[in-house]
Amino acid sequence: DVKVTQSSRYLVKRTGEKVFLECVQDMDHENMFWYRQDPGLGLRLIYFSYDVKMKEKGDIPEGYSVSREKKERFSLILESASTNQTSMYLCASRTQWGYTFGSGTRLTVV
Amino acid sequence: AQTVTQSQPEMSVQEAETVTLSCTYDTSESDYYLFWYKQPPSRQMILVIRQEAYKQQNATENRFSVNFQKAAKSFSLKISDSQLGDAAMYFCAYRSINAGNMLTFGGGTRLMVKP
Repeated sequence: DVKVTQSSRYLVKRTGEKVFLECVQDMDHENMFWYRQDPGLGLRLIYFSYDVKMKEKGDIPEGYSVSREKKERFSLILESASTNQTSMYLCASRTQWGYTFGSGTRLTVV
Repeated sequence: AQTVTQSQPEMSVQEAETVTLSCTYDTSESDYYLFWYKQPPSRQMILVIRQEAYKQQNATENRFSVNFQKAAKSFSLKISDSQLGDAAMYFCAYRSINAGNMLTFGGGTRLMVKP
């Protein structure tokens, strides 16, 4: 089975900090995604990548950037964390039949 | 852009009974994929069932089945013989075959199962 690993399950950061959320998949998949999950809003796409060094904006990219230097790793960067970025962040990798998700990082910005 | 709507924020069902979760979507495309994902308290998203739009036959996976009404743009999930382990958030999702590989999600339905 494909495994998608998010490095932190819970994270607390201060306003203005630069925050890195890491995601690693173990199946050489080209397509990787970062979603943000908020109650009542479901999952919203922040950024996605279809290959190394390739990235595309999703529906809510403002305040975020991404990095994909190696195929297995897709990082989400909050350049200057703000309280409205307190949320659950989910990484996903596309498989032949669907998507495999990481178990999420719950980020709190104080 | 496609949109996915789940009109039931919360549902509850008695153990062993049947429950149906609703999902509607808006698209101008003729071919696409639809999914139901389950997210238990562990937060791990689990694929429940998937449907290709070109297939008229409704997908079934054990106790889970869908009612896919393409003309009505409706994709409901039926859970039969509900079990306590079915309690979770359920998300309906749409994937275009044309515009990249991203999923568009509905807002989710929280399903509670009463013993």
